[in-house]
Amino acid sequence: QKEVEQDPGPLSVPEGAIVSLNCTYSNSAFQYFMWYRQYSRKGPELLMYTYSSGNKEDGRFTAQVDKSSKYISLFIRDSQPSDSATYLCASSSGSARQLTFGSGTQLTVLP
Amino acid sequence: DTAVSQTPKYLVTQMGNDKSIKCEQNLGHDTMYWYKQDSKKFLKIMFSYNNKELIINETVPNRFSPKSPDKAHLNLHINSLELGDSAVYFCASSMGGASGQPQHFGDGTRLSIL
Repeated sequence: QKEVEQDPGPLSVPEGAIVSLNCTYSNSAFQYFMWYRQYSRKGPELLMYTYSSGNKEDGRFTAQVDKSSKYISLFIRDSQPSDSATYLCASSSGSARQLTFGSGTQLTVLP
Repeated sequence: DTAVSQTPKYLVTQMGNDKSIKCEQNLGHDTMYWYKQDSKKFLKIMFSYNNKELIINETVPNRFSPKSPDKAHLNLHINSLELGDSAVYFCASSMGGASGQPQHFGDGTRLSIL
């Protein structure tokens, strides 16, 4: 079992929809949680960065971490065709020197 | 200015050849990484250097040899290329060798083995 599990999709939604992307993790030591967005033929780009449990909002994006259920979510409000990309969640503990990535969810927002 | 830049962007070569990929970052970070991304988009860590010292060396064939001449540069040399080496290789950097720091990625080197 991978330490970070992510539904690969693909996920297609109409423009303006609210998108929910989710990951689960198994390592209780994880404290740092990130979401990356990767456009086709580009590198992953950091989208959201959170520490421990709670919510973080940035414009149309909200990251949510529930450490009790080991669940990580990214919500996108008023989705746009430009949001079409692969979204990768990543986690890290306080002692490990690396990030553990999910396998990515491919999102398409249809105009 | 590109923060993390890799060269070349594309590399097409024959099986058995030796090739190198270069990475440079201008973010002032002291830790750099090499990842391999397969066709299913899974990112797998290969190596990491902190201030020119190798700190992560995952189970990777010894045909792959990283080298960090200084903390702004990390190169990857691959000997005797095999078909299974075809993938996208990403360089990344972060501040500090400790965990939790977000990593910044280059746009990848697409390696195709014929």
